[in-house]
Amino acid sequence: QKEVEQNSGPLSVPEGAIASLNCTYSDRVSQSFFWYRQYSGKSPELIMSIYSNGDKEDGRFTAQLNKASQYVSLLIRDSQPSDSATYLCAVEPRRALTFGSGTRLQVQP
Amino acid sequence: GAGVSQSPSNKVTEKGKDVELRCDPISGHTALYWYRQSLGQGLEFLIYFQGNSAPDKSGLPSDRFSAERTGGSVSTLTIQRTQQEDSAVYLCASSPSEDYGYTFGSGTRLTVV
Repeated sequence: QKEVEQNSGPLSVPEGAIASLNCTYSDRVSQSFFWYRQYSGKSPELIMSIYSNGDKEDGRFTAQLNKASQYVSLLIRDSQPSDSATYLCAVEPRRALTFGSGTRLQVQP
Repeated sequence: GAGVSQSPSNKVTEKGKDVELRCDPISGHTALYWYRQSLGQGLEFLIYFQGNSAPDKSGLPSDRFSAERTGGSVSTLTIQRTQQEDSAVYLCASSPSEDYGYTFGSGTRLTVV
């Protein structure tokens, strides 16, 4: 079992829709959770962090964490073509982040 | 500096040669990380430095890989006797401390021919 699992996609949504990206992790001691966005040929860029159970909102992005279910999600409201990228879930079970392999999101104009 | 700086941005080397990759973290960031990303793959952890503590080398794939961080700032990742499977983008990241998200550099694309 991988430490951090994500559906590779692609996840295709129409412009203006809500995109829902999911991630599960295996190590229960994990305390810090992050979402990164990576455009093709570019480096990952931090977009959200979450540390406590529940929801955290930042603009069009909402991160959701459920430690009991070992589940993290990212919602993107009013999706734009510029949101088309690979989204990486990252979990900190020890001192360095463990990354999932990413979900490719395509927002259709 | 304003961001994490990595050099060179691209490196083509012959199999068996040694290479050095450099990372200059954000000023004041005590934590520095090296990852690599093969084409179409996720990020693979290599090594982690935190302040003056001993580095966490648990991700280094073989003894051909080594890294150092001088003066708590600039880091160099060295790959000896490069192999074709070492071809990847090597990413450096820094953060203010362990619990914060990372800021990545633009990476070094290493191609071993």
